[in-house]
Amino acid sequence: AQSVTQLDSHVSVSEGTPVLLRCNYSSSYSPSLFWYVQHPNKGLQLLLKYTSAATLVKGINGFEAEFKKSETSFHLTKPSAHMSDAAEYFCVVSAISDSSYKLIFGSGTRLLVRP
Amino acid sequence: NAGVTQTPKFQVLKTGQSMTLQCAQDMNHNSMYWYRQDPGMGLRLIYYSASEGTTDKGEVPNGYNVSRLNKREFSLRLESAAPSQTSVYFCASRGQGLDYGYTFGSGTRLTVV
Repeated sequence: AQSVTQLDSHVSVSEGTPVLLRCNYSSSYSPSLFWYVQHPNKGLQLLLKYTSAATLVKGINGFEAEFKKSETSFHLTKPSAHMSDAAEYFCVVSAISDSSYKLIFGSGTRLLVRP
Repeated sequence: NAGVTQTPKFQVLKTGQSMTLQCAQDMNHNSMYWYRQDPGMGLRLIYYSASEGTTDKGEVPNGYNVSRLNKREFSLRLESAAPSQTSVYFCASRGQGLDYGYTFGSGTRLTVV
């Protein structure tokens, strides 16, 4: 079965400092992994996705994530936080069941950016 | 604008009332999904429809029913609302292919009192 664990429920950084949001996954096959962002009272927006091509994936707004199979991790990083990055971030793994594709969500990490 | 449209955006129900949440997509996607979002729990799958004419239960289907009316529309019905169904509901659709991401609607905030 596929699952995903986000290791921090809250992360607080100062503006201009690096961001690291941690995610570990469990999958019985080579997974597709995604990061979604949700700004307050908004829907979900795809930041980036890993689909078995390059292990370092670049997304929108300067975010990137590295797929590490040996560590079963897919951590999200950004070199320099901006105030507009304050949001909730979800690590997501794709699952296949009865030939149907579903997304399994982590519980989310809320990113706070201090001025 | 292409995407997933959900209605209504906000709703307050009394316990025992019924209502239907509407979802439509104009991207010709085969698969559609209903999720609920609760604090600290991420998004949990309620029901999904892999293609027109099929529906299947997700992780938390109790208390809900769905209808895939046609390829575009996928509705979620609460027959007898309960306070435990207070949540934010998201509809999503997905295109073809192993690595195809989902497109989400903007959500429906439902409060059951």
